[in-house]
Amino acid sequence: AQSVTQLDSQVPVFEEAPVELRCNYSSSVSVYLFWYVQYPNQGLQLLLKYLSGSTLVKGINGFEAEFNKSQTSFHLRKPSVHISDTAEYFCAVISLYGGSQGNLIFGKGTKLSVKP
Amino acid sequence: NAGVTQTPKFRVLKTGQSMTLLCAQDMNHEYMYWYRQDPGMGLRLIHYSVGEGTTAKGEVPDGYNVSRLKKQNFLLGLESAAPSQTSVYFCASRIGRTWAGSRNTEAFFGQGTRLTVV
Repeated sequence: AQSVTQLDSQVPVFEEAPVELRCNYSSSVSVYLFWYVQYPNQGLQLLLKYLSGSTLVKGINGFEAEFNKSQTSFHLRKPSVHISDTAEYFCAVISLYGGSQGNLIFGKGTKLSVKP
Repeated sequence: NAGVTQTPKFRVLKTGQSMTLLCAQDMNHEYMYWYRQDPGMGLRLIHYSVGEGTTAKGEVPDGYNVSRLKKQNFLLGLESAAPSQTSVYFCASRIGRTWAGSRNTEAFFGQGTRLTVV
């Protein structure tokens, strides 16, 4: 079965500073990887996804993530954050094969707090 | 295009009462999911469905039942609510089976149902 670990539950950062939110996954089969964002009292929306090809993927709102197969990581980065980026961020994985094929499994989330 | 719609948005139940949460999607998606979100726990999969008439258990299925009688609807039932089921519930849908080369793989989420059991 696959699992997702988000290494930081909370990340405080000052406005215009860079940020990295870490995500590691485990799976015995090939996976697709996602980052979702949840603003207060809202549902989840897709930030970006890795399916195949270039290991650096770009998403909405200036976010990007790098897939590292050897380290089974998919860390999310932004070079300069804004107050409006304050939200909770979730890393998720889908297995392509096996008994849990198609299940979308989430990490526990990282709360990003951007301070002025 | 409404996407994924959950009803109701808020509900307060007394312990032992029953209720059904409705999820409706208009994207002709095969896969549908029910998650619960609790502080510090992320989203945990309750049940899911890979097509009309099929359901399967997820990570935390106890105390819940589901039905997928129509492709567009996925119902989550609580037969006898308990305070431990106080949570925010999210429904999601995806186009279907994922294989190498798939492009439209992401899930679309409803706005959530905030359920309190007292």
